[in-house]
Amino acid sequence: KQEVTQIPAALSVPEGENLVLNCSFTDSAIYNLQWFRQDPGKGLTSLLLIQSSQREQTSGRLNASLDKSSGRSTLYIAASQPGDSATYLCAVGELTGANNLFFGTGTRLTVIP
Amino acid sequence: ETGVTQSPTHLIKTRGQQVTLRCSSQSGHNTVSWYQQALGQGPQFIFQYYREEENGRGNFPPRFSGLQFPNYSSELNVNALELDDSALYLCASSLGQLGTTKNIQYFGAGTRLSVL
Repeated sequence: KQEVTQIPAALSVPEGENLVLNCSFTDSAIYNLQWFRQDPGKGLTSLLLIQSSQREQTSGRLNASLDKSSGRSTLYIAASQPGDSATYLCAVGELTGANNLFFGTGTRLTVIP
Repeated sequence: ETGVTQSPTHLIKTRGQQVTLRCSSQSGHNTVSWYQQALGQGPQFIFQYYREEENGRGNFPPRFSGLQFPNYSSELNVNALELDDSALYLCASSLGQLGTTKNIQYFGAGTRLSVL
């Protein structure tokens, strides 16, 4: 069974810092990997989607990488802002079966002004 | 704005009751998935419907059931509610293509269910 782990569980950084969030998964037979943002009590906002054949995706200040063979992904946030404060979730779509996602427990990010 | 709407936004029930949660998918999306997110946890897959038929199920008991309608709206029904059913319930819609239901999922804002 696929297991997704995110480290660290929580992170506080001063505004302007660059930071990296980590995600690891146990089964490398994945279809894709997504990074989501979740604000307190809210639903999920998709940030980046990486297909299994891709190595990275970029959107603005965000860059996500994927190393399928080692079962790892990172989300790099450049020049962090207080508005980036949220929980970031990594989710893996498996190669077989239904189109369900396996989520990590998230990293709660606080950017201090 | 994902175009996926869920109702109600909040709900309070007592143990043993039944509840129905609703989801309106993004226009044209023929696949809907439901997830349960307990406090402090990542979402857990409940089940998926593709063209009105169940297309996969996670580790949830039969008292969790669903329906998908021809207009691609859907329902999640939970019978005999337990305290541990208290969670945020998320639905996600996607456009399944021929031969696969795998595609990017768009999430609604969720329904927060509290069971007392």
